[in-house]
Amino acid sequence: AQSVTQLDSHVSVSEGTPVLLRCNYSSSYSPSLFWYVQHPNKGLQLLLKYTSAATLVKGINGFEAEFKKSETSFHLTKPSAHMSDAAEYFCVVRRNSGYALNFGKGTSLLVTP
Amino acid sequence: DAGVIQSPRHEVTEMGQEVTLRCKPISGHNSLFWYRQTMMRGLELLIYFNNNVPIDDSGMPEDRFSAKMPNASFSTLKIQPSEPRDSAVYFCASSLEVWGTGNTGELFFGEGSRLTVL
Repeated sequence: AQSVTQLDSHVSVSEGTPVLLRCNYSSSYSPSLFWYVQHPNKGLQLLLKYTSAATLVKGINGFEAEFKKSETSFHLTKPSAHMSDAAEYFCVVRRNSGYALNFGKGTSLLVTP
Repeated sequence: DAGVIQSPRHEVTEMGQEVTLRCKPISGHNSLFWYRQTMMRGLELLIYFNNNVPIDDSGMPEDRFSAKMPNASFSTLKIQPSEPRDSAVYFCASSLEVWGTGNTGELFFGEGSRLTVL
């Protein structure tokens, strides 16, 4: 079965410093992976997706993620955090049967001034 | 262009009452998903439809839950009777999927319906 594990439930960074949100995946084949963001009391928005093209994927708002098959990882990064980046981030894998997505537990990002 | 529209945004009801949540997907999308979000269990897929047909309802908790999609522009999730443990945020999402192509379409989420069962 396809699954993802987000290694940190909470991450706190200072504004202007780099962001690293970690995600490992489990899949018996080359997966489709996504990062979604959820701001308070809002729905989820797609940040970026990996679909077996380039291993370094660029998303919106300066975020990017690198697919590393040898490490089964898909970590999300951003060079410089903004206050508006404070939100819940979900690493997601697509199921191989159908088109539904399996979500990780989420990482809450706090950005301090 | 309007996104996925859910109603009501907030619902407070008493145990035993019937609850109906509604969703209007993005026009032209052919797949619709219902997810439930709780602190304890995170985001769980309840059911998804393709071309108005339920494809996978294995996530529906029990017979108290039912979902319908009578046409391409409307879906409902019904809980009858409701219980306090059903309290959660229910999200509807839609996407454009093409079977057999490996299309990995983006899911567009509504803002959710927050249900509180007392």
